[in-house]
Amino acid sequence: DVKVTQSSRYLVKRTGEKVFLECVQDMDHENMFWYRQDPGLGLRLIYFSYDVKMKEKGDIPEGYSVSREKKERFSLILESASTNQTSMYLCASSLAGGGGYQETQYFGPGTRLLVL
Amino acid sequence: DQQVKQNSPSLSVQEGRISILNCDYTNSMFDYFLWYKKYPAEGPTFLISISSIKDKNEDGRFTVFLNKSAKHLSLHIVPSQPGDSAVYFCAAISADKLIFGTGTRLQVFP
Repeated sequence: DVKVTQSSRYLVKRTGEKVFLECVQDMDHENMFWYRQDPGLGLRLIYFSYDVKMKEKGDIPEGYSVSREKKERFSLILESASTNQTSMYLCASSLAGGGGYQETQYFGPGTRLLVL
Repeated sequence: DQQVKQNSPSLSVQEGRISILNCDYTNSMFDYFLWYKKYPAEGPTFLISISSIKDKNEDGRFTVFLNKSAKHLSLHIVPSQPGDSAVYFCAAISADKLIFGTGTRLQVFP
């Protein structure tokens, strides 16, 4: 079974703090993704990565950065957290194939972040 | 602008009956579609998918229909069970991106 784990289920941070969200997958997947889920907006792609040290902007990268130093780990960084970044953050991974996205994405349990 | 739309935010169905969840898209270049199911406090799980070269794909109680001319797909669940109560997201693949709809909350009551 594919397992995608996220370092925290719940986080409370203050405005201006630097926040690290960690994601680890154990299936040797090439592709990893960070989304945020907000009511009425569905899942929106923040960043994704096809390989170690590679990253691509998604639809809403502003205010975020990512790091992929190892294949199994993909970190999302909020350099200076703001209240509008309060959300559910979901990490996913998939095998590479065709255009990459054609492979099923497997999701972690999510991190609910509250920025005060 | 939302390229994948789920216009019904919620749906309530009696156990044993059919649930039909709808999804519309605007981009005719989309060539692969997926449905995900999400329980509260869990990540989405893949449910079923369909390629644009097909108009139907079936997996047990779940069937996805694709109408390319109408840019519409639907997920049918027959018979519906209380454990199917969740949020369902449709998603489209295009140019290496997975674009999600806003989700429909399905509630199956006894």
